[in-house]
Amino acid sequence: ETGVTQSPTHLIKTRGQQVTLRCSSQSGHNTVSWYQQALGQGPQFIFQYYREEENGRGNFPPRFSGLQFPNYSSELNVNALELDDSALYLCATHKTGVNSPLHFGNGTRLTVT
Amino acid sequence: GESVGLHLPTLSVQEGDNSIINCAYSNSASDYFIWYKQESGKGPQFIIDIRSNMDKRQGQRVTVLLNKTVKHLSLQIAATQPGDSAVYFCAETSNQAGTALIFGKGTTLSVSS
Repeated sequence: ETGVTQSPTHLIKTRGQQVTLRCSSQSGHNTVSWYQQALGQGPQFIFQYYREEENGRGNFPPRFSGLQFPNYSSELNVNALELDDSALYLCATHKTGVNSPLHFGNGTRLTVT
Repeated sequence: GESVGLHLPTLSVQEGDNSIINCAYSNSASDYFIWYKQESGKGPQFIIDIRSNMDKRQGQRVTVLLNKTVKHLSLQIAATQPGDSAVYFCAETSNQAGTALIFGKGTTLSVSS
């Protein structure tokens, strides 16, 4: 059983640019969520995708958007990058159902300069 | 707003001791709780979960206790090992699908041999 994999592992962007982060789901997991983790903080929920549609969103602006593909892999897109977007971006997947724990990837470390 | 907090930001123990990491949650509607371990440079790793209809759940060397009366959650690690050194997060959700987790800031556990 393969785990959750994310790419790239590290990324440096300039303020105002756009970035795309990628996530491959753990085998059999049909739901994907994205979290932002600032240094020294706990992860914060960005949004969730199920059946290729967003079905839950946290307190993040519309410039944070995502996609889920038929094979359950996912992308997180961030437009008009700001310095405060510098963080670890975590992808988590699970099987939709009652009380199914999320399994996280190791994240993409994004630095905005 | 809703938040999950931890009582202590750091905990230092000797190898072989038992560790107890505490967490207070504020949303009485939360019905599912998870403990995660996060090592440096990695994503959160699932440790153990508990539903709100349970008071206690045991895993391998770990026990989670849930006190709904005072909205308190704890993680007990028996015979703590150096490999247990990490940041520990509790997370809660009121969503039955177990997503949109709310994380606290974490407790850093340091185990010295």
